[in-house]
Amino acid sequence: SAVISQKPSRDICQRGTSLTIQCQVDSQVTMMFWYRQQPGQSLTLIATANQGSEATYESGFVIDKFPISRPNLTFSTLTVSNMSPEDSSIYLCSVARGNRYEQYFGPGTRLTVT
Amino acid sequence: DAKTTQPPSMDCAEGRAANLPCNHSTISGNEYVYWYRQIHSQGPQYIIHGLKNNETNEMASLIITEDRKSSTLILPHATLRDTAVYYCIVSPNAGKSTFGDGTTLTVKP
Repeated sequence: SAVISQKPSRDICQRGTSLTIQCQVDSQVTMMFWYRQQPGQSLTLIATANQGSEATYESGFVIDKFPISRPNLTFSTLTVSNMSPEDSSIYLCSVARGNRYEQYFGPGTRLTVT
Repeated sequence: DAKTTQPPSMDCAEGRAANLPCNHSTISGNEYVYWYRQIHSQGPQYIIHGLKNNETNEMASLIITEDRKSSTLILPHATLRDTAVYYCIVSPNAGKSTFGDGTTLTVKP
């Protein structure tokens, strides 16, 4: 398994500002992922962040809006830029490990944009 | 990734077995079946995965049909703490997962 922490756990932000979410893992992992979960919805993958390479974004998500850093094998950040109320969601990071790359998730960051 | 189909909701009596079905009729030969659950306000939790053989761990059992077109997650003795949304995912072991709507399991006393 993996122990994953996220900061902040929740935040309330004003429209037009940016928030950076941190994800820390207790041991080195190659593959990290960022997901978004809008209220009452399932999880949607934003991007894959592998150390040493640029993040790979899913359809509908762009780097200018969701820049990601992956400076080492235990840490990643996701920035939600120029926020609008539609960005109000839970943002989760996850890592893939194990013999078949099962995923382990952080507790999530609950973001409310007013 | 292959698409999965799950019932939107199920109920189960506390102490009884909970059997959660998943249909994945378009699964490819190299794709695994993964199960996760998400308890309210928490991040998803990995439960179990399998390729074609039945699997069991301390949390659950996974039964995969011989043609691999469907599977069942079994929680042998459901408790109130098992109330959650259960996601069945099919993936070729690439790490990232595509989550559907899942099944909301409600365990009732």
